[in-house]
Amino acid sequence: IAGITQAPTSQILAAGRRMTLRCTQDMRHNAMYWYRQDLGLGLRLIHYSNTAGTTGKGEVPDGYSVSRANTDDFPLTLASAVPSQTSVYFCASSALAGTGNEQFFGPGTRLTVL
Amino acid sequence: KQEVTQIPAALSVPEGENLVLNCSFTDSAIYNLQWFRQDPGKGLTSLLLIQSSQREQTSGRLNASLDKSSGRSTLYIAASQPGDSATYLCAVGIQETSGSRLTFGEGTQLTVNP
Repeated sequence: IAGITQAPTSQILAAGRRMTLRCTQDMRHNAMYWYRQDLGLGLRLIHYSNTAGTTGKGEVPDGYSVSRANTDDFPLTLASAVPSQTSVYFCASSALAGTGNEQFFGPGTRLTVL
Repeated sequence: KQEVTQIPAALSVPEGENLVLNCSFTDSAIYNLQWFRQDPGKGLTSLLLIQSSQREQTSGRLNASLDKSSGRSTLYIAASQPGDSATYLCAVGIQETSGSRLTFGEGTQLTVNP
């Protein structure tokens, strides 16, 4: 593995179902982030984690939850998916959570909720 | 609330032309600014990171400048090539008590015609 991997690449999901998007990085970065990208709205931060064991809410956290049990993994869970959660989801990481740190992005997961 | 605007939304140029992409932000209290490239259906690739104390960064044919006081950044691409065709995103980094954040513009879609 080199960088950030996300799984699945794409998914079609029925409304009301639970779904976990996976994100793994091998760069030993402390901070990780989840964004969603929507046409006309750009990328918006959902949740973040400054270091293993801590998480925080971003701009659009409702309907999503995250956990950070270790440095490498940062899964995003939709407890009960709704059509408005149809989007492309990107996971990102940076060496530190502080200022000046470059963020690196995964390839994304395209999620469709019907 | 920080807002990031990118102009133009789309740009089409002939191969070999030098071009400038613009990014403006409303709150000058930023810590860094990052330019990304996104190919269709793909993730974001980091191009350049400018710290708030810097005025510009260069990488190959790319040069990014930052003017915090006026809330502007430009990405200069020299001798454009068809392979430069992509969407270019600008993101400003801000520091909050809970950690650092990126706020994204909606991007400029660049097409370089052979």
